[in-house]
Amino acid sequence: GQNIDQPTEMTATEGAIVQINCTYQTSGFNGLFWYQQHAGEAPTFLSYNVLDGLEEKGRFSSFLSRSKGYSYLLLKELQMKDSASYLCAVRAFISSGSARQLTFGSGTQLTVLP
Amino acid sequence: DTEVTQTPKHLVMGMTNKKSLKCEQHMGHRAMYWYKQKAKKPPELMFVYSYEKLSINESVPSRFSPECPNSSLLNLHLHALQPEDSALYLCASSQDQVVGQGHYEQYFGPGTRLTVT
Repeated sequence: GQNIDQPTEMTATEGAIVQINCTYQTSGFNGLFWYQQHAGEAPTFLSYNVLDGLEEKGRFSSFLSRSKGYSYLLLKELQMKDSASYLCAVRAFISSGSARQLTFGSGTQLTVLP
Repeated sequence: DTEVTQTPKHLVMGMTNKKSLKCEQHMGHRAMYWYKQKAKKPPELMFVYSYEKLSINESVPSRFSPECPNSSLLNLHLHALQPEDSALYLCASSQDQVVGQGHYEQYFGPGTRLTVT
């Protein structure tokens, strides 16, 4: 099975930088995704890491360390619209063949204050 | 077009009703997914179709019956549901599900908010 941990809630101020951590334990690791989900809406893809290191995409960056089972999502220049749930999701090969399955963490509810 | 559409947006049904949820994508994706999401919880995988064949069934009760009529459409047939089945049902698609090139992120539809009374 898989175990994915991330903080339940975080609060930050507009214009600041926030780092959301995610730790995981899995076999057959095949990539880590970050999704953003606003209340009542569908998750939207933010970033993907499969190799160690930092991926930067505008105001968002994501880091992965496979040996430590650790990732973080870094959000810079926070805006009010960044208030949302941020879901860490791990993709892994399932035992019965070459298919891969995505499992979501519980999500981190980020509140950006003015 | 990077859109996954779902109908209806909202559905209220009794425990004896039969209804269907529909999902459509025109991105040429060959993998399609059904997730169930309860309030303040992450999406939980229910079913995966790969190349129009059911590849994963996460031990979902038989009152949920998926169907993939073609590569663009995915249905979820509902029958004799329970109140605890009330949730947001999300459909997603990705380019592929098995090993291949690219990261193949999943694109999610807006979901169907289901209430079982």
